[in-house]
Amino acid sequence: QKEVEQDPGPLSVPEGAIVSLNCTYSNSAFQYFMWYRQYSRKGPELLMYTYSSGNKEDGRFTAQVDKSSKYISLFIRDSQPSDSATYLCAPGGNYGQNFVFGPGTRLSVLP
Amino acid sequence: DVKVTQSSRYLVKRTGEKVFLECVQDMDHENMFWYRQDPGLGLRLIYFSYDVKMKEKGDIPEGYSVSREKKERFSLILESASTNQTSMYLCASSLTPGARGAGELFFGEGSRLTVL
Repeated sequence: QKEVEQDPGPLSVPEGAIVSLNCTYSNSAFQYFMWYRQYSRKGPELLMYTYSSGNKEDGRFTAQVDKSSKYISLFIRDSQPSDSATYLCAPGGNYGQNFVFGPGTRLSVLP
Repeated sequence: DVKVTQSSRYLVKRTGEKVFLECVQDMDHENMFWYRQDPGLGLRLIYFSYDVKMKEKGDIPEGYSVSREKKERFSLILESASTNQTSMYLCASSLTPGARGAGELFFGEGSRLTVL
């Protein structure tokens, strides 16, 4: 079992749809949970992070962590073509130092 | 804004050549990292550094070395490039986690290396 798993996609949705991106992990020591967005031919950039279990909302984006099931989700409301990118989940260790990246899910939002 | 600059966006090298990839960050971050990114495998950590002249092996250090002589600069060296090192290489920096944040990574735009 890989340490962090994501469905690679590609996931194609129409503009305005609600998108759900998911990630599972195996290391129960992870306490920081990051989502990075990577546009084509660019480096990843931090989109959201949460600490421990629970939800965090930022505009159209909501990050959800369920540590009991080792499941991480990112929801995008009212998706836009500009959201087309690869989304990488990255849970991290006790001091946020030892991040492990998932392979990423490629999302296409069609106008 | 934090800026992480990688010196070369695209490189083509021959098998056996020595390759240097340079990375500079301008925000006085303590930590710097080198990753490689391959389809289906995600980002894999090659080496990282918590301080000047310090380095730690990541998950896939074989065939690579690094140098950090100054706080802002972290170099990745391929002593003798091989075709299986063809990849996208990403440099990142971060603050040490604590009151200032969770240690989120700031990435450069990547260096795409092709070894023939």
